[in-house]
Amino acid sequence: GIQVEQSPPDLILQEGANSTLRCNFSDSVNNLQWFHQNPWGQLINLFYIPSGTKQNGRLSATTVATERYSLLYISSSQTTDSGVYFCAVDPPNSGYALNFGKGTSLLVTP
Amino acid sequence: GAVVSQHPSWVICKSGTSVKIECRSLDFQATTMFWYRQFPKQSLMLMATSNEGSKATYEQGVEKDKFLINHASLTLSTLTVTSAHPEDSSFYICSAPDRSYGYTFGSGTRLTVV
Repeated sequence: GIQVEQSPPDLILQEGANSTLRCNFSDSVNNLQWFHQNPWGQLINLFYIPSGTKQNGRLSATTVATERYSLLYISSSQTTDSGVYFCAVDPPNSGYALNFGKGTSLLVTP
Repeated sequence: GAVVSQHPSWVICKSGTSVKIECRSLDFQATTMFWYRQFPKQSLMLMATSNEGSKATYEQGVEKDKFLINHASLTLSTLTVTSAHPEDSSFYICSAPDRSYGYTFGSGTRLTVV
């Protein structure tokens, strides 16, 4: 099956810093999504981004489908950004099930 | 946007009992619902796919007799953990695809079997 690799696995930032999270995938995909899982376990859909660039406030994402990677940018990080960020892809012929990467655990300190 | 409501949020049950988890699509019809399980500090692993009006499809290694899935309507899918044991303690989360918003997830159910 398709492999989804995220880096870095862990990240500690001081409040106000910027960061880039990366997601590599091993095959072509129909769709790609970035999620933030908060400490209570809820998955928040950040971006639905099979290709191109999107921005939402301090967050932005870019997917280069031809090169099989996606980047999530967090600018001016805040403590509330802490949590786990997952990249998930929907490969062709998967029946639409998302395959998740192992996530990047982010801790933003005051 | 698309909303999936999942209940209960958390449940503690005794070993040997059964627990039912419900996921409802509130503002769209979910012909398909995906069920995932997440162990602490791990990623989400697909357990099964339910389709309205037909039998669920289970991933390799998932016991279909232990994890009963029913998708009787276009807005409701249920997962029943039968004869639960402590090793079934986990975070269970459902998801439905929506053409406009991608995949929408329920808020998850934290199951603790004692």
